[in-house]
Amino acid sequence: AQKVTQAQTEISVVEKEDVTLDCVYETRDTTYYLFWYKQPPSGELVFLIRRNSFDEQNEISGRYSWNFQKSTSSFNFTITASQVVDSAVYFCAVSGGYQKVTFGTGTKLQVIP
Amino acid sequence: KAGVTQTPRYLIKTRGQQVTLSCSPISGHRSVSWYQQTPGQGLQFLFEYFSETQRNKGNFPGRFSGRQFSNSRSEMNVSTLELGDSALYLCASSLAGGAASNEQFFGPGTRLTVL
Repeated sequence: AQKVTQAQTEISVVEKEDVTLDCVYETRDTTYYLFWYKQPPSGELVFLIRRNSFDEQNEISGRYSWNFQKSTSSFNFTITASQVVDSAVYFCAVSGGYQKVTFGTGTKLQVIP
Repeated sequence: KAGVTQTPRYLIKTRGQQVTLSCSPISGHRSVSWYQQTPGQGLQFLFEYFSETQRNKGNFPGRFSGRQFSNSRSEMNVSTLELGDSALYLCASSLAGGAASNEQFFGPGTRLTVL
């Protein structure tokens, strides 16, 4: 069975603050994939990143960075110098092999100008 | 390249009716997945189709069914609608490897309201 826990339901930050969205996953598979998606107020989910279980390197893309720690089954997402356009619901997800993708319940991020 | 399209965008039905939703994936994508999104349950996986075959199925009753055509377009059907079926239904397409290992491209969704 697969499970993703995003304990933070809603987060509010002031523009330019850094913010970290937590994601803890459970899976019995030794090979699996982790994802982050963004759902802006317009509604359409947008892919942010995919990471496979063998690649524990952290990744940085502009103001976004991801920290994958297999030892704690976590795949956290940090936004540096947040902007109003970052306001959205962010979903973390896990999948193993050809299994279904299991999403967390999402973290709603509000960036206040 | 055109994105994932879903029709209709909005739908209002009454309890007991049935409904068919349609999804056209990105050209070249052979995997189509369907999700139900509600405020209480979040994103729940319904099923995934690949090359006209159902590859995975979520924990939904048999009233929820789907199919995929040879051109990769997909439909999902919900029979005997219940109030609890009111939700945003999202379709996503991905490359041949499937949703489990690839980026999914989501459509705008169909907002179904059951009265």
